[in-house]
Amino acid sequence: QKEVEQDPGPLSVPEGAIVSLNCTYSNSAFQYFMWYRQYSRKGPELLMYTYSSGNKEDGRFTAQVDKSSKYISLFIRDSQPSDSATYLCAMSASGANSKLTFGKGITLSVRP
Amino acid sequence: EAGVAQSPRYKIIEKRQSVAFWCNPISGHATLYWYQQILGQGPKLLIQFQNNGVVDDSQLPKDRFSAERLKGVDSTLKIQPAKLEDSAVYLCASSLIVGANVLTFGAGSRLTVL
Repeated sequence: QKEVEQDPGPLSVPEGAIVSLNCTYSNSAFQYFMWYRQYSRKGPELLMYTYSSGNKEDGRFTAQVDKSSKYISLFIRDSQPSDSATYLCAMSASGANSKLTFGKGITLSVRP
Repeated sequence: EAGVAQSPRYKIIEKRQSVAFWCNPISGHATLYWYQQILGQGPKLLIQFQNNGVVDDSQLPKDRFSAERLKGVDSTLKIQPAKLEDSAVYLCASSLIVGANVLTFGAGSRLTVL
């Protein structure tokens, strides 16, 4: 079993839809949970950052972490064509020697 | 603030040839990372530097891959000899401190091995 599993894609939705992206993980030591967004031919950029369990909202984006279920989600409200990208979940344990473990990524396409 | 610079952006080589990628991190960022991203997969850490010392190179195929960060600033990743399975995007990232989760990535260097 991989440490981080991400829902397979690709995903295509109409503009204005609510999008739900999900990842599960197996390592209970993970404390930090991130979503990176990667546009075509670009490097990943940090979108959301959450520590431990709970919700975090930033504009149209909401990140949820459920440590008891080892499950994280990213919700995008009122999706826009500019949201079309690959979304990567990433997580790490605490400590100076911790490293990020990424999911495979899911490619989202928002149709105008 | 200038971003992470990488070159070349694209490289096509034959198997068994060698290739080198260069990275210039954000000024003042002590930690530098090289990731390999194979098509359809998430980035995989190859090596992590703190200043000019190696923090983690456990997933670097040391028989063919090497990396250095002289003077704690720029870094070079070399592959020699290249194999078909090395075809990937090589991403450089930097962060202010070691153990940080907020990384700034460069645009990547796309390698195709024929």
